[in-house]
Amino acid sequence: DQQVKQNSPSLSVQEGRISILNCDYTNSMFDYFLWYKKYPAEGPTFLISISSIKDKNEDGRFTVFLNKSAKHLSLHIVPSQPGDSAVYFCAASRGVYGGATNKLIFGTGTLLAVQP
Amino acid sequence: DSGVTQTPKHLITATGQRVTLRCSPRSGDLSVYWYQQSLDQGLQFLIQYYNGEERAKGNILERFSAQQFPDLHSELNLSSLELGDSALYFCASSPGLAGAEQYFGPGTRLTVT
Repeated sequence: DQQVKQNSPSLSVQEGRISILNCDYTNSMFDYFLWYKKYPAEGPTFLISISSIKDKNEDGRFTVFLNKSAKHLSLHIVPSQPGDSAVYFCAASRGVYGGATNKLIFGTGTLLAVQP
Repeated sequence: DSGVTQTPKHLITATGQRVTLRCSPRSGDLSVYWYQQSLDQGLQFLIQYYNGEERAKGNILERFSAQQFPDLHSELNLSSLELGDSALYFCASSPGLAGAEQYFGPGTRLTVT
């Protein structure tokens, strides 16, 4: 049962344009969502997060949008740079407000290629 | 650099053997998590420890066990290894029980031959 889904295995964009990575989830109990970036042979690097009480969070070139009714979140990268080329994972957890475990459920990842 | 360290970086061993993976969390973090990334399963949560106590279990096999020591470092023990256990094993840490980002170590690549 894949509770967090990234339906696009790969995405290619031109340098300077916007990259939009999408993620869907099925469990309405999730209340905290995160995006991680991963290079080969390295651990995931935390990028940005959003709690379920917000619908948008911005940090520099990265913005995450959350649509709870659609159980959908997206990561926007503007402008995209060649150094952004990596695998991007979305992850979800429950327990921000309930004090439960913080285990992360990951999507399968999207490989972003930013062309110079 | 996330501040989370893992040793060894690579491990090659034979089926039936036992190995121990080690993780040191970021300074001040009390929670340690273990994840497995295999080719066909993506990143899967194995187990969480908080201040020395087990807090949550995921799809961790009975052949696998973990512990967190008083100095907060953690070890993941894998025994009776099978070919299918070959994977990347990541450790992550966070300050508390819930509601915070997790910071990942560089991983240990385990190859079972």
